[in-house]
This record gives sequence, structure tokens and C-alpha cells, in this order.
Amino acid sequence: GAVVSQHPSWVICKSGTSVKIECRSLDFQATTMFWYRQFPKQSLMLMATSNEGSKATYEQGVEKDKFLINHASLTLSTLTVTSAHPEDSSFYICSARSPRGGDRGELFFGEGSRLTVL
Amino acid sequence: GQNIDQPTEMTATEGAIVQINCTYQTSGFNGLFWYQQHAGEAPTFLSYNVLDGLEEKGRFSSFLSRSKGYSYLLLKELQMKDSASYLCAVMDSNYQLIWGAGTKLIIKP
Repeated sequence: GAVVSQHPSWVICKSGTSVKIECRSLDFQATTMFWYRQFPKQSLMLMATSNEGSKATYEQGVEKDKFLINHASLTLSTLTVTSAHPEDSSFYICSARSPRGGDRGELFFGEGSRLTVL
Repeated sequence: GQNIDQPTEMTATEGAIVQINCTYQTSGFNGLFWYQQHAGEAPTFLSYNVLDGLEEKGRFSSFLSRSKGYSYLLLKELQMKDSASYLCAVMDSNYQLIWGAGTKLIIKP
């Protein structure tokens, strides 16, 4: 069964609104979660690393004020796309690393959230 | 810079064997991962190699040569459900995953 759950799977919103995506680790505590974006026919692009109890670390070129990340507990990280625009339409995926094996642990992915901004 | 190279697309026949290659140049190495991703779905873990050699897991095997910066994923007895993208990812010295663009595998009857 899934060990990382992501919600919602699909979301359609109007331009200018904000959308929140949740990522939960179900079977383990994740001090670190990762948020990716994937455009059609392209590979995963790491957006940011979410750290429990501290600020997220954003990759170069990712606007931290637009993509708000909150890692409030050891099992939940949220990504909020603020003032969404059509160019933000994409497949957003979260992941968390299994605590077994430390930094080399297997990476589990959520189901992904497909965002369409009209 | 850091770079992962893998073919964009491959085609194979049901029941056959296919090898998907991945070459990498990264700052440090802490393992190489292969993931399978069906269209519209999140990636799922296939294998992890950190030592040289072949790791076999059912119909799938993964090989690593650290000195050559090279890995391959071998899929045997191909089934139609194996049609997917296969992503190669390398964990660098900072334990960050560097992702390849993925290889789209098309299986024909």
C-alpha cells in the first residue's frame, strides 16, 4: 500500500486563486520531504526541500513567495501555489525518504497532483 | 556541471529483452536509482545500486559501473504493462538526487 499520500489528485482553479496540496507520510515520520514539478514529457524537477520545523530550501529559479511550503509535523507537508496562473499548470509530486538507510533510504512518492489553472 | 544521460525513447517487442542505459557525471556518488513512471502517475521505485555489479530482482536487473559512470536497467520477458518511462537518478555527495530526463519505453505486440 501507499506509504506517502498526496491530496488532491486533480484540481482545477481560476487564475489568481491559491491552491493547497497536502503530502502525508503514512507509515513513517519524515523530517524531510521533497516537492517536484513535472511538465508533460519532461523529467522531475525538484522545486524545494521541505524541512520539519524550519524553512524550506528552494531550488534556484523557484519563487518561494509563490510556492509556499509548510512542514508543520513529521507526517505532513503542504505546498500552496499562490495566485496561480495558467503557466503553473503542471503535475506536482511530493516524496519522502524512508528512514531505513538514512540518507540512502528509498524515496517514496505521493500519487501526484495535477493542477490546471484556467 | 552535473549530468545524467539516457535515451529519450526505445521500442521493444512483447516477450523480448531490453536494456536501458544511463551515464552520469556528478559531484560525488552515493548511489543510483531506477524508477518506473506510467503516464500521469507518480514514479515507483525499481532498484538502487551503490556497489559495482548486477542486482537482479525478478524480471528486472540493474547494473552499475562506478568507474565508467554507467548503469543499465535490463527488462526481461517484456509485458505490455512495462510500457512506461524509466527514470535514472544519481544521489550526489550532498545526498541530493539528480534526475535524468527519462526513457520512454514502448512495447509492441
